[in-house]
Amino acid sequence: EVQLVETGGGLIQPGGSLRLSCAASGFIVSSNYMSWVRQAPGKGLEWVSVMYSDGSTFYADSVKGRFTISRDNSKNTLYLQMNSLRAEDTAVYFCARMAHDSFDLWGQGTMVTVSS
Amino acid sequence: QTVVTQEPSFSVSPGGTVTLTCGLSSGSVSTSYYPSWYQQTPGQAPRTLIYITNTRSSGVPDRFSGSILGNKAALTITGAQAEDESDYYCVLYMGSGIYVFGTGTRVTVL
Repeated sequence: EVQLVETGGGLIQPGGSLRLSCAASGFIVSSNYMSWVRQAPGKGLEWVSVMYSDGSTFYADSVKGRFTISRDNSKNTLYLQMNSLRAEDTAVYFCARMAHDSFDLWGQGTMVTVSS
Repeated sequence: QTVVTQEPSFSVSPGGTVTLTCGLSSGSVSTSYYPSWYQQTPGQAPRTLIYITNTRSSGVPDRFSGSILGNKAALTITGAQAEDESDYYCVLYMGSGIYVFGTGTRVTVL
């Protein structure tokens, strides 16, 4: 079955770090563009970061310099390393496979809460 | 900073037609932005409806269609059904690896 499963969310204090994982099955992560998208409680969707199949990475201004997207080809898994976390980073984080510059497969999301 | 604008809300009668739009705070939307559309119900992951302006994703009913209307991307629901009551988001590719979601439109069917 083709699917994405995110893990790693939780409660973290401001200034802390967290790493999210997105395990893929049914397709090869490294052959696809892969993104992270987040949604703060009661708010809209916000694109966070993308890793292209050639390894190039891009970030939204709101997370640039604090978040790092990466992948482990041996585990067929995408990651999001989040440092210097702020209250405004509180959100459900979705990973998504991309095709034709759109998001064609979504995970179920993992909740990150930044609070003291 | 680029803002992608959508109507906050729309109400449509069952069987009716509604057109949602996706615009730019400055400039016009064209096919070069590869507009795509997503449907989301509370507590669920988004569902992909339309990509590359007007291509329906697999399994999406043909009552959903995408287009460029004037200087905006548009999503039209023709013959709305109760299950279409959701939030709808567009996404534009801004180039240089940057994607921007629209502000979202809540559609009520009543």
